Amino acid sequence: QKEVEQDPGPLSVPEGAIVSLNCTYSNSAFQYFMWYRQYSRKGPELLMYTYSSGNKEDGRFTAQVDKSSKYISLFIRDSQPSDSATYLCAIWGADKLIFGTGTRLQVFP
Amino acid sequence: SAVISQKPSRDICQRGTSLTIQCQVDSQVTMMFWYRQQPGQSLTLIATANQGSEATYESGFVIDKFPISRPNLTFSTLTVSNMSPEDSSIYLCSVLGQGNEQYFGPGTRLTVT
Repeated sequence: QKEVEQDPGPLSVPEGAIVSLNCTYSNSAFQYFMWYRQYSRKGPELLMYTYSSGNKEDGRFTAQVDKSSKYISLFIRDSQPSDSATYLCAIWGADKLIFGTGTRLQVFP
Repeated sequence: SAVISQKPSRDICQRGTSLTIQCQVDSQVTMMFWYRQQPGQSLTLIATANQGSEATYESGFVIDKFPISRPNLTFSTLTVSNMSPEDSSIYLCSVLGQGNEQYFGPGTRLTVT
């Protein structure tokens, strides 16, 4: 079993839709959870960083952590074509960041 | 957050040669990391570089192939040695923030012919 699992997509949605991106993880000791956005030919950009269970909101983005289920989510409201990118979940564990495979998102006008 | 720059941004190199990638950060950081990202894939950690100590390499990566320097708290280099086409990839450096979050540089796109 991989330490972090993420559906690779691709996910294609119309502009204005609510997008839900998800990851599961295997080690209950993991405590720091991150979401990155990566545009083609660019480095990953940190979007959201959470420590505990619950929700964290930043503009159109909401990160959700459920430690009991070992499940993390990123919600994007009112999605825009500029949100088209690959989204990677990442979890800090054993002194390093463990990445999911990334979900490719396409938002069409 | 930290602002990270990498040089070169891209390069095309011949088989058997070596390339050194530079990573510069705008603030002092303790931990720096080097990653590889192959086309369409996620990120794979090569090594962790702390200032004043030897780099720690992940399984499958060795110092002879990927020597790393970390001369101070704002700079690091990664050398890809004796390159083969399988080394064609994007190489990324990143730094650890105050709360275990990581920030990434723009990457170096390497093509080996």
